[in-house]
Amino acid sequence: DQQVKQNSPSLSVQEGRISILNCDYTNSMFDYFLWYKKYPAEGPTFLISISSIKDKNEDGRFTVFLNKSAKHLSLHIVPSQPGDSAVYFCAASARQGAQKLVFGQGTRLTINP
Amino acid sequence: DARVTQTPRHKVTEMGQEVTMRCQPILGHNTVFWYRQTMMQGLELLAYFRNRAPLDDSGMPKDRFSAEMPDATLATLKIQPSEPRDSAVYFCASGPGPYQPQHFGDGTRLSIL
Repeated sequence: DQQVKQNSPSLSVQEGRISILNCDYTNSMFDYFLWYKKYPAEGPTFLISISSIKDKNEDGRFTVFLNKSAKHLSLHIVPSQPGDSAVYFCAASARQGAQKLVFGQGTRLTINP
Repeated sequence: DARVTQTPRHKVTEMGQEVTMRCQPILGHNTVFWYRQTMMQGLELLAYFRNRAPLDDSGMPKDRFSAEMPDATLATLKIQPSEPRDSAVYFCASGPGPYQPQHFGDGTRLSIL
């Protein structure tokens, strides 16, 4: 039972344009959501998070949107840069899960010059 | 920047051998997590600790895996005996508390021949 799903294994975007990565979840108890970026041979690096009391959180070029009724969140990167090429993981946790993170399968983002 | 440190970075050993992976969490973080990444399963939680006490190890094969925190600066994950299906990248992460992001080490790439 995959509680967090990233349905796009890969995404290719031109430099300077917007990258939109999507994530769906099934567990209505999830109340904290995170995005991590991962380069090869490194651990996941925290990017941005959002709690369920908000529907948007912004940090520089990165914005996360949460639609609780649709159980959907998305990460927008504007403008996209070559250094953004990486695998992006969506993750979620529930208060009752005491910080246990459930990860999606990841989306490989490639930024083309 | 404070980082989670994992050793060794790579380990190749033969089936049946004992494997020990070590993790130094970020000072001040009270929760420590062990994750495993495989192509088939993605990132899955194996075990986690809060204030050095094990809270959940339901993700681990109990007969061969064990996780401990001998002190606040060291977490260990042991496999005995190791099997080829244990080949994966093992990540340690630490976190300061609820609704705060976990920070990951760079992982131990384990190959069991």
